[in-house]
Amino acid sequence: EDKVVQSPLSLVVHEGDTVTLNCSYEVTNFRSLLWYKQEKKAPTFLFMLTSSGIEKKSGRLSSILDKKELFSILNITATQTGDSAIYLCAVGRHQAGTALIFGKGTTLSVSS
Amino acid sequence: DAGVIQSPRHEVTEMGQEVTLRCKPISGHDYLFWYRQTMMRGLELLIYFNNNVPIDDSGMPEDRFSAKMPNASFSTLKIQPSEPRDSAVYFCASIRDRISGNTIYFGEGSWLTVV
Repeated sequence: EDKVVQSPLSLVVHEGDTVTLNCSYEVTNFRSLLWYKQEKKAPTFLFMLTSSGIEKKSGRLSSILDKKELFSILNITATQTGDSAIYLCAVGRHQAGTALIFGKGTTLSVSS
Repeated sequence: DAGVIQSPRHEVTEMGQEVTLRCKPISGHDYLFWYRQTMMRGLELLIYFNNNVPIDDSGMPEDRFSAKMPNASFSTLKIQPSEPRDSAVYFCASIRDRISGNTIYFGEGSWLTVV
C-alpha cells in the first residue's frame, strides 16, 4: 500500500530556531514530491521535487529529495511566528491524474 | 482566475440531516478531487473525476457518501444521513491535466460540523 509518513507530527520552537521536517514515502511509480503549507485555510504550494539532490530554495525555506532513500526534508531557517502552520508532504505518481497521497502533516508552532 | 470555489464555507447540521457540499473547479481543469481532512487521519482522498467521469471512488467511506459532476464546472459531495464522525474539513481541488506536474489547486474548504 502506498504511504507517506511525516515526522515529527508536531514541533514547538522559538523564533530564530532552525527546523527540519521529514517526509518518507513508499509509493509505486513515483513522479514527484510536493510540500504544502496550511494555515487556517487551504494548503498552499511550496515546492515540487522530482530529482534527487537538487535543492529547491525560497527565502528561508529549502527542500531536497533523496530518491534512493525515499525521503525528503524541508528546512526552515530563522523561524518566525508566521511560519506556524501545518506542513504537508504529498507524493504524485505517474498514472494520469492520479491524486496525490498526503502525509498527516507536521504541525509547527513558533513562539516569540 | 477565481481559483477553486467551494460552498458553503461552514456548515453546522444535526445528525441525520442531509449535507450537500459544492465545488466549482478552475476553468479548463480536467481533474477534480474531493478530499477530507481530520486531525486523526490527515488529508484523505475521497473521489476524483476526470472530464466529469468518476475514476476512483475507493476512498468514499460508505454508502452515505455520494459525489457527482454533472458538468465541467460543478461538482457536489453529498452525505445522507450525516453523522458526527463526518465532522471534518472537505476540500475540493483541481488540476489541469496529467502534464501539469501534479500541481494541485485547493479550494478553501467546507468546514462541516455534525452535532
